[in-house]
Amino acid sequence: DGGITQSPKYLFRKEGQNVTLSCEQNLNHDAMYWYRQDPGQGLRLIYYSQIVNDFQKGDIAEGYSVSREKKESFPLTVTSAQKNPTAFYLCASSILVGGYGYTFGSGTRLTVV
Amino acid sequence: KNQVEQSPQSLIILEGKNCTLQCNYTVSPFSNLRWYKQDTGRGPVSLTIMTFSENTKSNGRYTATLDADTKQSSLHITASQLSDSASYICVVSAANSGYALNFGKGTSLLVTP
Repeated sequence: DGGITQSPKYLFRKEGQNVTLSCEQNLNHDAMYWYRQDPGQGLRLIYYSQIVNDFQKGDIAEGYSVSREKKESFPLTVTSAQKNPTAFYLCASSILVGGYGYTFGSGTRLTVV
Repeated sequence: KNQVEQSPQSLIILEGKNCTLQCNYTVSPFSNLRWYKQDTGRGPVSLTIMTFSENTKSNGRYTATLDADTKQSSLHITASQLSDSASYICVVSAANSGYALNFGKGTSLLVTP
């Protein structure tokens, strides 16, 4: 079955460390996205990519970095520069035009300890 | 600035009752509007998606309406079940920014026996 796989489901990180969240899709979607979800807030866009080797900053990109070396993969690195990294992170993908076929992964909960 | 506002913030209803959730948006240029259901700690799951020309769309006991002139949408749930307890999120896609989505904060619905 096609879908998006995020790993790990839970992640703990010490302050000052970088950590990378994995996102893989086998839907043959061109566009991929990373969102952050905090309690009582809507999902906020961190980065998105419409094509391999290209990506754009979203509303809250500071302290994050991404890469898109393969169509199927869009990993997110939470750097030590991100001041409040504890959150629920969601990856998504879509057919490029019109954003149809938008599919979310099951999320990664990152906790900084 | 693109915004999506939802009301009420939370709602408690008895099993078997109907309810209606509201969504107002200022996203431009408009591409489509979606309603998602999100269980705690999980990724959002799509219920309906509507384009500019669609007024109503149903998915089982869920019926969404869209008034593109007033930029309002509603999600009606009939004969509620305990499994309907979740957060319901209104999401509006803009026809730019790689069709990244603009999320409301959601309505938290609790269905009680």
